[in-house]
Parts: sequence; C-alpha cells; structure tokens
Amino acid sequence: DVKVTQSSRYLVKRTGEKVFLECVQDMDHENMFWYRQDPGLGLRLIYFSYDVKMKEKGDIPEGYSVSREKKERFSLILESASTNQTSMYLCASSLSGQGYNEQFFGPGTRLTVL
Amino acid sequence: SQQGEEDPQALSIQEGENATMNCSYKTSINNLQWYRQNSGRGLVHLILIRSNEREKHSGRLRVTLDTSKKSSSLLITASRAADTASYFCATDGSGGSNYKLTFGKGTLLTVNP
Repeated sequence: DVKVTQSSRYLVKRTGEKVFLECVQDMDHENMFWYRQDPGLGLRLIYFSYDVKMKEKGDIPEGYSVSREKKERFSLILESASTNQTSMYLCASSLSGQGYNEQFFGPGTRLTVL
Repeated sequence: SQQGEEDPQALSIQEGENATMNCSYKTSINNLQWYRQNSGRGLVHLILIRSNEREKHSGRLRVTLDTSKKSSSLLITASRAADTASYFCATDGSGGSNYKLTFGKGTLLTVNP
C-alpha cells in the first residue's frame, strides 16, 4: 500500500515563528504536492514538485516555500507564520506519466497560528 | 482557480437510499477523479474516469462523464452510515501539467442510520 505520512497531526505555533511541515512517501513517486484546505474554499494547491530539487508554484504560494532534497520527502515552510495561515495542510504524491495522476494523500496537519 | 464544482454542497439521506452527486468543470480534461474525505482526514481516491469513457463502475459506485456538457456524476447505491463523508471531484488539464489536479469544494454526504 502507498503510504504518505505527515510529521504532525496537530500543530500550534505563534505568529512570526518559522514552521516546517514534513511529508514522506514510500512509493517512489515523482510528484509531490502541498494543499491547504479551508471551509468553503476546498483544496487549494500551494506548491508542487515533479522531481528532486524541482518545484512549481501552485495557486496560493505567497507566504510559503518548499524544499525537496530527496525524492521521498517534500517540506513546506512557513517563513513567518501568520494567523491567516491557520488551516488544514494536506500532502499528496503521485506517479508521473499520462493517466497516472491518481494522488495519494497523507492524513493532514491541522495548524493553528496564535 | 477552481475548475470542478460539486452540487449539491450538502446531501442528507437515509441508510439504504442512493446518493447522487454532480460535478461540473470548465476546460478540456484527460480524466476526472472522485475522492472521499472522512472528517478531519486526508482524501482517498475512489475512481477515475477517462475522457473517452462514459460510465464506470466500482462496487457500489457508478460514475458517469459527459464531456459535451463538461459534467460528471457519482452515484452511491444502497448507502451505509459509513459512507458519511465529503466527496470531491478533481480534474486534470488536457495540455501541459497533466499530473496537477484541480479539486472542487466538495459535497458533504450524511447517511442517517
């Protein structure tokens, strides 16, 4: 079974702190994604990566950065957390290639910024 | 930008009834997928239908796709309380980044025992 794990289920941080959210997948997938999910807004793509050290901005990249040093690990970084970044963060991975874009999701990290 | 839009936003039915959810999208696609999300959890892939397919079945799930109307429907037959969840459709783009998906806002299904 594909497994995508996220470092924390719940996280509470203070405004201005630097926050790292880690995601690891064990299926050798090329693509990895970070989404945030907010009530009434659905899932919105923050960043994605299609290879090691490669990244592309999604729909809402402002205030976030990412790192992919190894194929299995994709990190989301909040350089200076703000209260409007309180949200559920979901990581996902998928294979590359036409028709192979089913995404496998981690359990999510609920981040609260005070 | 959001491409898929689910309808209705919320649906409440009795156990044993069928549940139908609809999804509309705006641009051409290679495939359309449906996902389920239990409360506070990650999404789980349910079924994928390709743009050249019109109907697909998986267990109690039936998905239809009408590319001329840019719409899809998900039917869950003989619903169970365990089917209570949010359901999302997701579309890819027929050109460019086909690995990137755009998700709708979801339909919240409640199945009452």
